[in-house]
Amino acid sequence: QVQLQQSGPGLVQPSQTLSLTCAISGASVSSNSVAWNWIRQSPSRGLEWLGRTYYKSKWYNDYAVSVKSRITINPDTSKNQLSLQLNAVTPEDTAVYYCAFSGRSDAFDVWGHGTMVTVSS
Amino acid sequence: DIVMTQSPDSLAVSLGERATINCKSSQSVLYSSNNKNYLVWYQQKPGQPPKLLIYWASTRESGVPDRFSGSGSGTDFTLTISSLQAEDVAVYYCQQYYTTPYTFGQGTKLEIK
Repeated sequence: QVQLQQSGPGLVQPSQTLSLTCAISGASVSSNSVAWNWIRQSPSRGLEWLGRTYYKSKWYNDYAVSVKSRITINPDTSKNQLSLQLNAVTPEDTAVYYCAFSGRSDAFDVWGHGTMVTVSS
Repeated sequence: DIVMTQSPDSLAVSLGERATINCKSSQSVLYSSNNKNYLVWYQQKPGQPPKLLIYWASTRESGVPDRFSGSGSGTDFTLTISSLQAEDVAVYYCQQYYTTPYTFGQGTKLEIK
């Protein structure tokens, strides 16, 4: 059974980079036909899918247009985890961030526990 | 982007009664090649991540009580709880995974009357 353990700072200064990690157990980050996603949730924006990475003979990424110029999602095969980097953050990026696993379909079967990230000086 | 609109925004139902939540997508999420609706329902309780209840619009996730059911096709979908239990108090979300960016409804808050 897939389990996801998130880690990362809860406070980021404006204009800096938000960095989070999602450690995976019960599956390999480089498994074929699965995807690893980042999603955030805030009162103002609701649930917002940010992007995903997946392996299908090579690595692919898809990103939401709203963050495409600022986001990087990377797999780390040596540690079996994935990371999220969001550059040039503003207070609007304040949210609970989740990593999520898509297995049998592109729905989000398993979610991490969430990390509350506040952007403030 | 596909816009997902849920109704109502909030709902109060008596214990043991039926609860119905609707979800409408701005375009069809039915994939004609496999006749599957790329629509999922989640339940979220305070302080927890969303939990997958139903996928392919009507397939119940393992371990989900059978009082939860999903129906609909194309652009109009329904989540029904046949007999509301106290533990069903939560916010419910629909989401399409037909195409990226994957998008969610705004949520329906379900309470006990």
